[in-house]
Amino acid sequence: GDSVTQMEGPVTLSEEAFLTINCTYTATGYPSLFWYVQYPGEGLQLLLKATKADDKGSNKGFEATYRKETTSFHLEKGSVQVSDSAVYFCALSSPYGGSQGNLIFGKGTKLSVKP
Amino acid sequence: SAVISQKPSRDICQRGTSLTIQCQVDSQVTMMFWYRQQPGQSLTLIATANQGSEATYESGFVIDKFPISRPNLTFSTLTVSNMSPEDSSIYLCSFWDGQGDSGANVLTFGAGSRLTVL
Repeated sequence: GDSVTQMEGPVTLSEEAFLTINCTYTATGYPSLFWYVQYPGEGLQLLLKATKADDKGSNKGFEATYRKETTSFHLEKGSVQVSDSAVYFCALSSPYGGSQGNLIFGKGTKLSVKP
Repeated sequence: SAVISQKPSRDICQRGTSLTIQCQVDSQVTMMFWYRQQPGQSLTLIATANQGSEATYESGFVIDKFPISRPNLTFSTLTVSNMSPEDSSIYLCSFWDGQGDSGANVLTFGAGSRLTVL
């Protein structure tokens, strides 16, 4: 079945460091891909998305490119801030499997940014 | 984009009791979804709530434990029944919100209800 694999956390970085959180997926057909962020004590918020191969999603300095050839959607940011400390979830939605509401989520990667 | 509000935001409950979580959307949506996020874990879909019909539950979740109501197109409730410490989780409601671009809807979440069962 469809699945999402995310790099294990936690990830600890210093402010202004470069961030990469790896995400790869297995899916039937052509899924849409998402990154969600969960700040401490809050619910999930959409960070960015991409709906087809070679699309680049971007928001708040974060970027991720939909790579069909490597089935990846890695999250990157050039210079992280303390306020970026959160848990990041990679997810996919497939039109071919599961419940209609179901996003398939990765296990989440906790990012801590130190001043 | 539609706004979704959820309450309570958090609660501490006693073993054996039940708690109902409410979710309100400021526009009409066809389907609403309830997820559970256990401590340190990812999200798992509990059920899909359709207005006018019984909710559809995912494998491992049953109506007696998680009864759901959907009285209209803007509102849904999830009850966690006969709670035990294993039910301590964040419960989130969600719906598909059309973003109007690229044909891709986005699953939009409420802020979550953090339940702690003692």
